[in-house]
Parts: sequence; C-alpha cells; structure tokens
Amino acid sequence: GAVVSQHPSWVICKSGTSVKIECRSLDFQATTMFWYRQFPKQSLMLMATSNEGSKATYEQGVEKDKFLINHASLTLSTLTVTSAHPEDSSFYICSASPTSGVYNEQFFGPGTRLTVL
Amino acid sequence: EDQVTQSPEALRLQEGESSSLNCSYTVSGLRGLFWYRQDPGKGPEFLFTLYSAGEEKEKERLKATLTKKESFLHITAPKPEDSATYLCAVQGTSGTYKYIFGTGTRLKVLA
Repeated sequence: GAVVSQHPSWVICKSGTSVKIECRSLDFQATTMFWYRQFPKQSLMLMATSNEGSKATYEQGVEKDKFLINHASLTLSTLTVTSAHPEDSSFYICSASPTSGVYNEQFFGPGTRLTVL
Repeated sequence: EDQVTQSPEALRLQEGESSSLNCSYTVSGLRGLFWYRQDPGKGPEFLFTLYSAGEEKEKERLKATLTKKESFLHITAPKPEDSATYLCAVQGTSGTYKYIFGTGTRLKVLA
C-alpha cells in the first residue's frame, strides 16, 4: 500500500519550453501533496505544498509563476515548469500524505529527472 | 527555528559491522520524526515514524529510537544491500504538515 507514481520518470526539453510532471497516489487519497527538488548529493528541498482544490503554498524563494502546481483531485497533483532553462535541470520528487492516515507520513514518488538543454 | 542535523555525513562499514546513525533535532513541538532510505536516482522509501521519547521501532536489521533531542537508527549486521542514503525528517506542531529534512547519511556497506 501507499504507492505514489510520477510521470514521466525522465524528460529532456529545450530551453524555453514548458514541462508537466504528474504525481499520482495509486492506492490512497491524498488531501495534501508536496513537491521537492533535489540536487546531486544534497537533501530534498521543499518547493511547495498543495492541497486538493486550493492554491499551493510555495516556499520562500520559489517562483510561483515558474513552477505551477495544480492539485485537481485527491489522487493527482501536477507540477508545470514554465519556460524552462538549464538551471531548472534537477531531480523533482513528489510526496503524498494519506487523507485517512492517523499519522502524517509522506510517501514519495520515484522522482522525475528533468534536463533542460 | 526548526532544525535537523544528521551525522555522520558518510559511513563505510564492513558487512556485519553494526553501527548507528544520528539525527539531532530542534523543533518547537514534535509531531513526528520520520526515517527514510533513498537509493541513487530514486525517491525516498519510508522506514519508520516515531512520535514520543522512548519509542522504538524495528524492521529487519534496522531499529530506530527517539529521545527528546535526537533519534538513532541502529543497523545490526549490515549487508551490502543496506547501502543507501538514510534521511531523517521532523514535523513540528506549527500548523503545517511539511517536513524539515536533515542532509542525510550516506552509508556504504562493503562485502
């Protein structure tokens, strides 16, 4: 149980284009999902918290207009990197907390490797 | 300010050589402390949740313990397949559900 998927697992795009990453909770409903970014040999950096049906809460320093987050249902959140540039190349990971959970564990997806040329 | 510090940054063990990883935390109120394992190029895999001082959880060769200031992840008789980065995160009672992550301990177990 508590499986989270991400799609795509990797993507290469040209500078200036937009890329959408999907995060799905496969066997549970998640009111809250999180988006992280991870650089090589570093820990996870929280980008934003998304709640189903409401606007995402972005961490300080994260550009809302560049990283668009939509949490349209209890099992799906999307991250769109708009007008991507090489500095946006990174490993993006989502996580989800079960709505019915007694505890507050986050279950993570396998990550999406984004390379912007 | 909530903060999590993990030590050591990296650890090399011989197969069968037991050791412990440390996670020290400062948080205004602890809602939970979480341990994850992360393999290269993959998302973190959930291991344990600890909520109160004195609590212990076990899974195979891993045992997590919690005090009011730190948590330990004890690895007993490790095997090469235990090689990974182990991440610790805390969740405070500040009203949000976000984690504060430590920087992780990279564990390498040699055969």
